[in-house]
Amino acid sequence: NAGVTQTPKFQVLKTGQSMTLQCAQDMNHNSMYWYRQDPGMGLRLIYYSASEGTTDKGEVPNGYNVSRLNKREFSLRLESAAPSQTSVYFCASSEVGWGANQETQYFGPGTRLLVL
Amino acid sequence: EDKVVQSPLSLVVHEGDTVTLNCSYEVTNFRSLLWYKQEKKAPTFLFMLTSSGIEKKSGRLSSILDKKELSSILNITATQTGDSAIYLCAAYSGGGADGLTFGKGTHLIIQP
Repeated sequence: NAGVTQTPKFQVLKTGQSMTLQCAQDMNHNSMYWYRQDPGMGLRLIYYSASEGTTDKGEVPNGYNVSRLNKREFSLRLESAAPSQTSVYFCASSEVGWGANQETQYFGPGTRLLVL
Repeated sequence: EDKVVQSPLSLVVHEGDTVTLNCSYEVTNFRSLLWYKQEKKAPTFLFMLTSSGIEKKSGRLSSILDKKELSSILNITATQTGDSAIYLCAAYSGGGADGLTFGKGTHLIIQP
């Protein structure tokens, strides 16, 4: 099992450019998440998907869109990148179901994004 | 608003020392507390605590939850340079898939 994979590992964008961060998991998890991590701010939830076909806003959704393409894949899109979106982005997944540890999230390796 | 506070924010100790990292939480409908270790990249899961007073152990690491004090500690004994990392605490409120609130982390540095 690869666990949670993310692409790309690193990206530089100019202000106003768009891009999509890809995330996939092979653990048959129902829930998937996108976080951003900034110095002194901890991990903040951008969007999450409790199950295939559903997405919901987290703490800091502005400037982002997501797509739960299927059970395995959850992508994060920046339509018009801004310098404030310079951050490290983590995708995570967790089980959902009776008796499952929903709250135990498994993280991908992260994408470092620099917006100039 | 749910809140998780970790202390200290950073800590430098020598190899072989014992360290205690603290986490306090204020969340509605608290269900569980989780500890993660983050080295150069992604956080990796360490412990999940749901019951007060029951210690969870994994090698030199141990953690315990105090629901009365709304807090948890993570102990690392006989520290090694490989323990250098950011340790994240998160509280799960059970409100749904978005119910996990992270603290800002404790940056632990173990000097040889």
